[in-house]
Amino acid sequence: QQQVKQSPQSLIVQKGGISIINCAYENTAFDYFPWYQQFPGKGPALLIAIRPDVSEKKEGRFTISFNKSAKQFSLHIMDSQPGDSATYFCAARAGGNYQLIWGAGTKLIIKP
Amino acid sequence: DAGITQSPRHKVTETGTPVTLRCHQTENHRYMYWYRQDPGHGLRLIHYSYGVKDTDKGEVSDGYSVSRSKTEDFLLTLESATSSQTSVYFCAISESVGVGNTIYFGEGSWLTVV
Repeated sequence: QQQVKQSPQSLIVQKGGISIINCAYENTAFDYFPWYQQFPGKGPALLIAIRPDVSEKKEGRFTISFNKSAKQFSLHIMDSQPGDSATYFCAARAGGNYQLIWGAGTKLIIKP
Repeated sequence: DAGITQSPRHKVTETGTPVTLRCHQTENHRYMYWYRQDPGHGLRLIHYSYGVKDTDKGEVSDGYSVSRSKTEDFLLTLESATSSQTSVYFCAISESVGVGNTIYFGEGSWLTVV
């Protein structure tokens, strides 16, 4: 119930294409869903986040789509660039101690 | 970049020896965290602190202890290191745990237990 399942584990996309990473959860008490981006040798950094009362949030080329009834949310990267190559983590804020539950990560490679 | 410094950044140690990782922040954030990152597991919370001398366990706390004697410092100790504790350890900080709160991560400490 406290898990966040992320897929795919790895993804290769051509430059200019759309990258899509998916996450699913079970706990309907989760109330905040951030995505973090991590470059090799660095710590993760917040990329974009959404609350469950919103179905979509867009920031530049990055969009979160949120489907509350399906308990799924996804990250879309439009016009993917080589500089987007990184590992992406989805997460969900849990009740109780309000800590984030993390997905396993997706390694994204954008081919020039 | 958030003012988070982890030390050491890289360490190789032998099984059974104690190891302490240090995290120092200059942001005066209330919350501090220790995570470990392993392939296929993402980020897993080891321990966190919500104030000086106030700490709580995360999902993978066995074999680890922490201490926070000052707002700016959070120490992670492996009392007797095992090979399963070979990992990348990240310290993180946040002002709160409210909705919309951002967690800021350090650059990681690579620990190898041989």
